[in-house]
Amino acid sequence: TQLLEQSPQFLSIQEGENLTVYCNSSSVFSSLQWYRQEPGEGPVLLVTVVTGGEVKKLKRLTFQFGDARKDSSLHITAAQPGDTGLYLCALHTGANSKLTFGKGITLSVRP
Amino acid sequence: DVKVTQSSRYLVKRTGEKVFLECVQDMDHENMFWYRQDPGLGLRLIYFSYDVKMKEKGDIPEGYSVSREKKERFSLILESASTNQTSMYLCASSPRDGFNYGYTFGSGTRLTVV
Repeated sequence: TQLLEQSPQFLSIQEGENLTVYCNSSSVFSSLQWYRQEPGEGPVLLVTVVTGGEVKKLKRLTFQFGDARKDSSLHITAAQPGDTGLYLCALHTGANSKLTFGKGITLSVRP
Repeated sequence: DVKVTQSSRYLVKRTGEKVFLECVQDMDHENMFWYRQDPGLGLRLIYFSYDVKMKEKGDIPEGYSVSREKKERFSLILESASTNQTSMYLCASSPRDGFNYGYTFGSGTRLTVV
């Protein structure tokens, strides 16, 4: 069974601060997705990363895929209260697009 | 705006009742999924379906069944609800190549079994 670990579990920061959170797998994976879930809603896809060393940017969010294809990071610059939510990483397993999700990182950005 | 619609946001049922959770998607997606989400345990896959009338067990299928009679609709059934099935239930759909396009989730149904 492929294990996905996300860290830290919880993070509470002040508006304007920068932060980095991590997603690590017990084995090499082919590609990975990041989702954000706001309270009372379902997760929403942010990005898919597929190539070792790949970096993708989404406004103030920077996603990186490790060279060894076993880890990924999400960096947020100048966090805003609107960034508050649960950040989930997920990796593809099997031949039929079934995703395995990490337990998530709960981010709270205080005004 | 494409979406996945879950029939109820909140549901309260009694132990032993048969419970139906409905999910409809308007994107012509082949794949549909049911997850439950619990604090500290993350999203756990209950059942999924790759096509009409097809279903496969996920990681925690015990106590649940599913039905997919039409492409756009995927129903989760709790045959005899128990208190340990109190949870947030999330439905999702994706194209056949769901990996490149990601999943689209519904807003969830928070089920309480008393």
